[in-house]
Amino acid sequence: DGGITQSPKYLFRKEGQNVTLSCEQNLNHDAMYWYRQDPGQGLRLIYYSQIVNDFQKGDIAEGYSVSREKKESFPLTVTSAQKNPTAFYLCASRPGQSRYGYTFGSGTRLTVV
Amino acid sequence: GQQVMQIPQYQHVQEGEDFTTYCNSSTTLSNIQWYKQRPGGHPVFLIQLVKSGEVKKQKRLTFQFGEAKKNSSLHITATQTTDVGTYFCAGRKMSGGSNYKLTFGKGTLLTVNP
Repeated sequence: DGGITQSPKYLFRKEGQNVTLSCEQNLNHDAMYWYRQDPGQGLRLIYYSQIVNDFQKGDIAEGYSVSREKKESFPLTVTSAQKNPTAFYLCASRPGQSRYGYTFGSGTRLTVV
Repeated sequence: GQQVMQIPQYQHVQEGEDFTTYCNSSTTLSNIQWYKQRPGGHPVFLIQLVKSGEVKKQKRLTFQFGEAKKNSSLHITATQTTDVGTYFCAGRKMSGGSNYKLTFGKGTLLTVNP
């Protein structure tokens, strides 16, 4: 079955450490996205990528970095510069045409202590 | 920047009652999408509306896109316990910026008392 896989589901890190969240899709989708969700909040866009080797900052990119070396993969690194990293992180993908909705992964819940 | 406001933030209903959530954009939208997120889950795409005044139905769910393409609504008739979750609208700007960016509302959390 095609889909998006995010791993791990839960992640704990100490303050000051960088951490990388994995996102892999086998849907052959062109565009991939990273969103952050906090309790009672909507989804806020961190980074997005429309094609391989290209990505753009979203609304809250500070303290995060990404890469898109393969079409299937779009890992997100939460750096120590991110002031409030504890959150639920969602990866999504979409085919090239805008009439399709996003397919979301099951998310990674990151807790920084 | 573009803002998408969604009301109400929370709605509690008795099973069998109707439910409506409203979405308003500060800018004209090219299209609007709706998603449902079950508690502890991830958002799942429900539908996309593109045309001014468009109305689409999915069983007990009715989706509308305003004539000015700045607002939308989701109406659920005769709610069931399976309808529990957070409903998000997400809009794409009519012009300018990236065609690939959606702006999400904060969502409406629906709880249903059996």
